[in-house]
Amino acid sequence: GAVVSQHPSWVICKSGTSVKIECRSLDFQATTMFWYRQFPKQSLMLMATSNEGSKATYEQGVEKDKFLINHASLTLSTLTVTSAHPEDSSFYICSATSGRTSYNEQFFGPGTRLTVL
Amino acid sequence: GNSVTQMEGPVTLSEEAFLTINCTYTATGYPSLFWYVQYPGEGLQLLLKATKADDKGSNKGFEATYRKETTSFHLEKGSVQVSDSAVYFCALIIQGAQKLVFGQGTRLTINP
Repeated sequence: GAVVSQHPSWVICKSGTSVKIECRSLDFQATTMFWYRQFPKQSLMLMATSNEGSKATYEQGVEKDKFLINHASLTLSTLTVTSAHPEDSSFYICSATSGRTSYNEQFFGPGTRLTVL
Repeated sequence: GNSVTQMEGPVTLSEEAFLTINCTYTATGYPSLFWYVQYPGEGLQLLLKATKADDKGSNKGFEATYRKETTSFHLEKGSVQVSDSAVYFCALIIQGAQKLVFGQGTRLTINP
């Protein structure tokens, strides 16, 4: 099946620093990638939808200047948390699909746990 | 709007018990329905799906039937194992759209 990887799997950083998380589709070309945030014992909250070669579409309430998303190629999307603060600590999960319709299954990465001290 | 409501957890069962996790939905269009499973510390894995009314999705002993008349997609398994302990998410996607809409998740713990 299709494999999506994330790197790093966990990261600890100091408040005020920026952190970059990578999401890669390993064996297929991902025209669309999604970034989710998951708080402890809660559901996934969609942050943004990223189509290759175009700007990401952010969900309401998500600060685009805080969470920078780049989908530079068909196999890589990055999420940069800028000037991270403790409230940004969370589990970030990406997913990828090879098509732009709902008929194409989304494949999820294993997640990245971010802890901001 | 589109939304998914799941049975509140946590759910604790003994091994070999019968499992039902309820899921109902509201949708403005025609949805495809999914169950995802998340094991501790991991991302989500697709467990099963159904794309039209009366379809039954099944995998690893789990089943769910797409019931349009009751707008439901309940997850069932006849005999659970300790290894089934995880968080289960019901989700929908409107056909023709891109976004998955998730339920709040149900934490399942199976005791030996």
